[in-house]
Amino acid sequence: GAGVSQSPSNKVTEKGKDVELRCDPISGHTALYWYRQRLGQGLEFLIYFQGNSAPDKSGLPSDRFSAERTGESVSTLTIQRTQQEDSAVYLCASSSGALYSNQPQHFGDGTRLSIL
Amino acid sequence: DQQVKQNSPSLSVQEGRISILNCDYTNSMFDYFLWYKKYPAEGPTFLISISSIKDKNEDGRFTVFLNKSAKHLSLHIVPSQPGDSAVYFCAASAGYNNNDMRFGAGTRLTVKP
Repeated sequence: GAGVSQSPSNKVTEKGKDVELRCDPISGHTALYWYRQRLGQGLEFLIYFQGNSAPDKSGLPSDRFSAERTGESVSTLTIQRTQQEDSAVYLCASSSGALYSNQPQHFGDGTRLSIL
Repeated sequence: DQQVKQNSPSLSVQEGRISILNCDYTNSMFDYFLWYKKYPAEGPTFLISISSIKDKNEDGRFTVFLNKSAKHLSLHIVPSQPGDSAVYFCAASAGYNNNDMRFGAGTRLTVKP
């Protein structure tokens, strides 16, 4: 499809394991974003990529969280040594990324992560 | 820091009536504002936006109003339909870099038949 694709859609894992979440943005979108939404809460910004670079990593909650993007396309968000508080829906969005250009972000359906 | 605030976590209206969702912001540099709609198990979808050079933008049943002096915007849905039941997120960015977008916590709208 032409939208943002995220995989897996659901992930259940044991505390302490590492998880990797994947995002395929809309083709041609240079900007890519990761957000987290905990149960009953709003969207929490995690990290943003412009191309393959991440100018803003300020939202990453701890050093257990990392993200990369390659080929100005696919991005992976990795959570090491998962904790129960990491349970949330992780949303990816992309946009054209052009500065001085007001463009909405387009979201994927998210990965629902449950840490047992 | 909560630069975008939606103080009403939920709103319930009768079908056919007007729904008014409110949003306040603190950063005077914000000049691009958006509303997103989110159904369960789906990602947010873009609904409507407004630039700070305007005070109103209308798209069908949806109208967004911006009051810059009050740092307040609102989304009006009229007439409301049961299919409008969803969580609505307000978002804002500074136009020179709209990649830095801040979201409110969302308001759950329920439209009763």
